[in-house]
Amino acid sequence: DGGITQSPKYLFRKEGQNVTLSCEQNLNHDAMYWYRQDPGQGLRLIYYSQIVNDFQKGDIAEGYSVSREKKESFPLTVTSAQKNPTAFYLCASSGTSLDTQYFGPGTRLTVL
Amino acid sequence: QKEVEQNSGPLSVPEGAIASLNCTYSDRVSQSFFWYRQYSGKSPELIMSIYSNGDKEDGRFTAQLNKASQYVSLLIRDSQPSDSATYLCAVTLGNYKLTFGKGTLLTVNP
Repeated sequence: DGGITQSPKYLFRKEGQNVTLSCEQNLNHDAMYWYRQDPGQGLRLIYYSQIVNDFQKGDIAEGYSVSREKKESFPLTVTSAQKNPTAFYLCASSGTSLDTQYFGPGTRLTVL
Repeated sequence: QKEVEQNSGPLSVPEGAIASLNCTYSDRVSQSFFWYRQYSGKSPELIMSIYSNGDKEDGRFTAQLNKASQYVSLLIRDSQPSDSATYLCAVTLGNYKLTFGKGTLLTVNP
């Protein structure tokens, strides 16, 4: 059963903590993406990776970090430097950076 | 300047009617255009993609693209209550970046 999985579904963070969101895909896609969605807003690109061991900043990368050590995995770390991290985080993948993007189920992060 | 614009709605239509959702974009060299549907609390799911001028039909959905006017629309025929969701327009700007509009909330009333 091919697809994109994200975990956890819900995540609570205390002030000053770093947290890591997981994203895994078994679609054999080269490109992977992280977006953030706030209520009533469109999706904003945080980071993207077009190939293993390479990634680029998106529009709102400050306070976030990523790695791409395996083709299947693209974890996102929300650091304590991100001042307003409460949001819905969506991971997506595509065959190449020019192809249609498909989304995982999302992780809802709340700062306590 | 906003890159992808949509009417935020809400757009309310009766069951069985045609729902028309509109989107304009700013980059004349955009090549790929997508409509995603997002139910409340869920992730976006792809409905349609369109790459050339004209109409593209898939079941009850028709995407229309007019590159000269920088305009893309989605028509939903025979609207059903299950179509009630936020519809996101997404446009590839430049060579890779997929930019999303803020979405239009559609409500189909039984």
